[in-house]
Amino acid sequence: DVKVTQSSRYLVKRTGEKVFLECVQDMDHENMFWYRQDPGLGLRLIYFSYDVKMKEKGDIPEGYSVSREKKERFSLILESASTNQTSMYLCASSFGLAVYNEQFFGPGTRLTVL
Amino acid sequence: GENVEQHPSTLSVQEGDSAVIKCTYSDSASNYFPWYKQELGKGPQLIIDIRSNVGEKKDQRIAVTLNKTAKHFSLHITETQPEDSAVYFCAAGAGGTSYGKLTFGQGTILTVHP
Repeated sequence: DVKVTQSSRYLVKRTGEKVFLECVQDMDHENMFWYRQDPGLGLRLIYFSYDVKMKEKGDIPEGYSVSREKKERFSLILESASTNQTSMYLCASSFGLAVYNEQFFGPGTRLTVL
Repeated sequence: GENVEQHPSTLSVQEGDSAVIKCTYSDSASNYFPWYKQELGKGPQLIIDIRSNVGEKKDQRIAVTLNKTAKHFSLHITETQPEDSAVYFCAAGAGGTSYGKLTFGQGTILTVHP
């Protein structure tokens, strides 16, 4: 079974802190994604990456950056956390270039910024 | 870019009834339409998908229909059971070299009452 793990289930940070959310997958998937989930807004793509070679902005990249130094690990960075970044963050991975391959999700990290 | 609208946002049914969730998309290049189910405390999981060369697909109690002309697709769940209670997301993606990128709808909270 594919397993996608996220470093924390719950996280509380202060405004202005630098925050790192870590995601690891164990199936050698090329694609990795970071979404945020908010009630009524669904899943919105923040960034995605194809292997370590490519990182690309999604629909809501402002205030975020990413790092992918190893194929299995994809990190989301909040450079200076703000209260409007309080949300559920979901990481996902999938195989190959085509869209038809299933995305496998981690359990999510609920981030609260005070 | 692609825009996916999903309705209703909440749906409440009695056990044994049918449930229907509808989505529309905007980009005529989209040709892949998966549905994901998110149970409490978990990440979303793929339950069924359909490609644009097919009008309908069934898997036991769930089915998906696609109308490419109208740019809408629907999820049908028959003989609902309490374990069907979850958040359901539709999504759309374009095939080819898209790195697996999907655009998700806003989600539907389905509650099945025993």
